[in-house]
Amino acid sequence: EAGVTQSPTHLIKTRGQQATLRCSPISGHTSVYWYQQALGLGLQFLLWYDEGEERNRGNFPPRFSGRQFPNYSSELNVNALELEDSALYLCASSFRTGGIDTQYFGPGTRLTVL
Amino acid sequence: AQKVTQAQTEISVVEKEDVTLDCVYETRDTTYYLFWYKQPPSGELVFLIRRNSFDEQNEISGRYSWNFQKSTSSFNFTITASQVVDSAVYFCALILNFNKFYFGSGTKLNVKP
Repeated sequence: EAGVTQSPTHLIKTRGQQATLRCSPISGHTSVYWYQQALGLGLQFLLWYDEGEERNRGNFPPRFSGRQFPNYSSELNVNALELEDSALYLCASSFRTGGIDTQYFGPGTRLTVL
Repeated sequence: AQKVTQAQTEISVVEKEDVTLDCVYETRDTTYYLFWYKQPPSGELVFLIRRNSFDEQNEISGRYSWNFQKSTSSFNFTITASQVVDSAVYFCALILNFNKFYFGSGTKLNVKP
């Protein structure tokens, strides 16, 4: 069974541009979570989608947004990129909503903002 | 306020030594979930264990064991007879309200041959 997949693996942008990151959950999983892992820091929760709806978001500005498609895949958009947005962005999926079920993580997208 | 504290930033041990990774969490909720994940150099987090707040039983899985103590709000992870392949960053996580997700800053474990 395929795990969580993310694309692209690496993304290089310049300040002020927009970045789009993609995530495909494990088959049968309806919840998708996004995290930011900046260098030297732990994972910071960004967004949680389930059944196409945004269920919760972390303490990030509105220029971080996303959506979940009918096939449960998800996109994370970061507008007006800033240098400090450079980080590893991890996507996770779970079978049931919220913390009841285990989150399984993808390999991440390394975003570099120049 | 920090919800999950992993005070050990980095630990180095020699192969076959036992090592304990500490995790202290903070919550007033009575229902919550705790997790440990391993992040090897490849970057992909690997699930290790999940515990709910009503299950204080310690667990052993091979060389891994977990000690959950609500009295001290701790969920520590011990690797017995460590191996080089155990080298990774280990994260402790706390789920509250079924919709709030907190990760510690991680402990980097270096196991030397």
